Amino acid sequence: EAGVTQFPSHSVIEKGQTVTLRCDPISGHDNLYWYRRVMGKEIKFLLHFVKESKQDESGMPNNRFLAERTGGTYSTLKVQPAELEDSGVYFCASSPVGGPYGYTFGSGTRLTVV
Amino acid sequence: RKEVEQDPGPFNVPEGATVAFNCTYSNSASQSFFWYRQDCRKEPKLLMSVYSSGNEDGRFTAQLNRASQYISLLIRDSKLSDSATYLCVVNKGGSYIPTFGRGTSLIVHP
Repeated sequence: EAGVTQFPSHSVIEKGQTVTLRCDPISGHDNLYWYRRVMGKEIKFLLHFVKESKQDESGMPNNRFLAERTGGTYSTLKVQPAELEDSGVYFCASSPVGGPYGYTFGSGTRLTVV
Repeated sequence: RKEVEQDPGPFNVPEGATVAFNCTYSNSASQSFFWYRQDCRKEPKLLMSVYSSGNEDGRFTAQLNRASQYISLLIRDSKLSDSATYLCVVNKGGSYIPTFGRGTSLIVHP
């Protein structure tokens, strides 16, 4: 079974540019989560999809962040325009419907804004 | 007070030692509890769920104390390969949204 896949693994962009991160969850997992870990801090929840619907986006920092999950399959997280404080590791995780189950994480996208 | 608090360590122990980590949570309505392991520059991986009655998986034992709102992880007979950061994860009460602690760093040395 393929795991959670994230792309790209690394991204270095300049302040003010746009970056789009992609997450492919495990097939059949309706729950999809985005998290961010800033250096030295704990992993923070950003938002939660159930299929294509945003169930909880209370963790999104501001309106420069836009997440989508068209068709309830893969998800994208766009940061526009990027700021220095957006640097960190962005993790995606998925889990089956129901639960609670443990979450399977992708390997993350390391974003550096310079 | 943080929602999930862990002693960041590092815990530096010799091979074969027994080590215990604690984690406290603030939301008394929390329902689900997990321990994750994260290796350097890798993603978190589920180590074990924590059940009310306590549970064991090989050298690892997890306990939950709802009255005091803490969970623990005990590692017996530590191996070099146990060196990692151990993350306490608690689901928000009434939802399946997990809240992470900052993690406890374990270093097992020869």
